[in-house]
Amino acid sequence: DVKVTQSSRYLVKRTGEKVFLECVQDMDHENMFWYRQDPGLGLRLIYFSYDVKMKEKGDIPEGYSVSREKKERFSLILESASTNQTSMYLCAASSGGDTDTQYFGPGTRLTVL
Amino acid sequence: DAKTTQPTSMDCAEGRAANLPCNHSTISGNEYVYWYRQIHSQGPQYIIHGLKNNETNEMASLIITEDRKSSTLILPHATLRDTAVYYCIHSVYNQGGKLIFGQGTELSVKP
Repeated sequence: DVKVTQSSRYLVKRTGEKVFLECVQDMDHENMFWYRQDPGLGLRLIYFSYDVKMKEKGDIPEGYSVSREKKERFSLILESASTNQTSMYLCAASSGGDTDTQYFGPGTRLTVL
Repeated sequence: DAKTTQPTSMDCAEGRAANLPCNHSTISGNEYVYWYRQIHSQGPQYIIHGLKNNETNEMASLIITEDRKSSTLILPHATLRDTAVYYCIHSVYNQGGKLIFGQGTELSVKP
């Protein structure tokens, strides 16, 4: 199975700080994803990437950017954190193709004060 | 957007089969049906997927109707550790497969 790790399980930041969430996968998968999960709203896709240096906006990209300099690493960046970005952030990876199973990391619970 | 309809919650007795239904009437011909589950405070976990035929693996069975507009996930002998939110999804095919998660079914397995 693919192993997806995220840099922190819990993170507390202040409004206006720049925040980096790191995600690493160990199975050489092409595709990586960032979601956020909020009560009553389910999982929502922020950004995804099909390849190194490639990125595509998801459903809620505003306030976020991403970086994929290496195949195994996909970073989510909050340029200036705001309280409405307090959420659970989930990273996923998949190999692509017709059957595109996504493997998720454990999540980072970010609190912005 | 690709949407599925699932019951909000279900209960199941420990040791009994849990049957979780899903409607996906907008599914198109090349889309697979996926099931994931999410145990509290963890990332979603892949369970099973299928296209047309019924599928079985070590975790569950997936029954897909002939018209592909609905499916049922079966956990044959539910345990307390199967308590989780179960998501039924069909993939919008694009390189990378964007999955759209709905609200899911909260399954409670009771002793």
